[in-house]
Amino acid sequence: DTGVSQDPRHKITKRGQNVTFRCDPISEHNRLYWYRQTLGQGPEFLTYFQNEAQLEKSRLLSDRFSAERPKGSFSTLEIQRTEQGDSAMYLCASSNSGDEQYFGPGTRLTVT
Amino acid sequence: QQQVKQSPQSLIVQKGGISIINCAYENTAFDYFPWYQQFPGKGPALLIAIRPDVSEKKEGRFTISFNKSAKQFSLHIMDSQPGDSATYFCAASAHQGAQKLVFGQGTRLTINP
Repeated sequence: DTGVSQDPRHKITKRGQNVTFRCDPISEHNRLYWYRQTLGQGPEFLTYFQNEAQLEKSRLLSDRFSAERPKGSFSTLEIQRTEQGDSAMYLCASSNSGDEQYFGPGTRLTVT
Repeated sequence: QQQVKQSPQSLIVQKGGISIINCAYENTAFDYFPWYQQFPGKGPALLIAIRPDVSEKKEGRFTISFNKSAKQFSLHIMDSQPGDSATYFCAASAHQGAQKLVFGQGTRLTINP
């Protein structure tokens, strides 16, 4: 059990570019979550997968954001036409039961 | 709308002292209350959690106290150590649907040696 992993750890991009992040959950965890954390704030929920089905999306997830979890294993989060307001830490968490959520190290996105 | 309010924003405690962080929630559907510890540049790490059927839970130096009627819960760190210096987040979730976590604003804890 190596924990939740995320890639890349850091991403710097120019405004208007597309970026994609990857999350590998703890093996056999069927629930996967994406959260966003801005400086000095707690994480905020973005979206939730149970196996390969995306079952809930926050209104924070604008139409420029899309997430997938093919085959119910790893997940990707894509942001199209990035804006400076997208700069944040993007966190992935996985869970077996839904209660205990284990977070990855996050991907720090900086949009210049 | 802030559903989980956390205080204080920052806290300085002497080594060996007790650190106390408080949270209050509004949504009565919440039934799971975890605390997370986060070091700079790292993801939040689950520290301890409680359900409302008990009023207190202790794990090592960490204790959660829970007051269901007041809709409040707190984290106590006994014998605080410099290695405990981190940001602490309370959170809450409801046992339905996504069970998404709603986090407080965080408390930056500094333990002076």
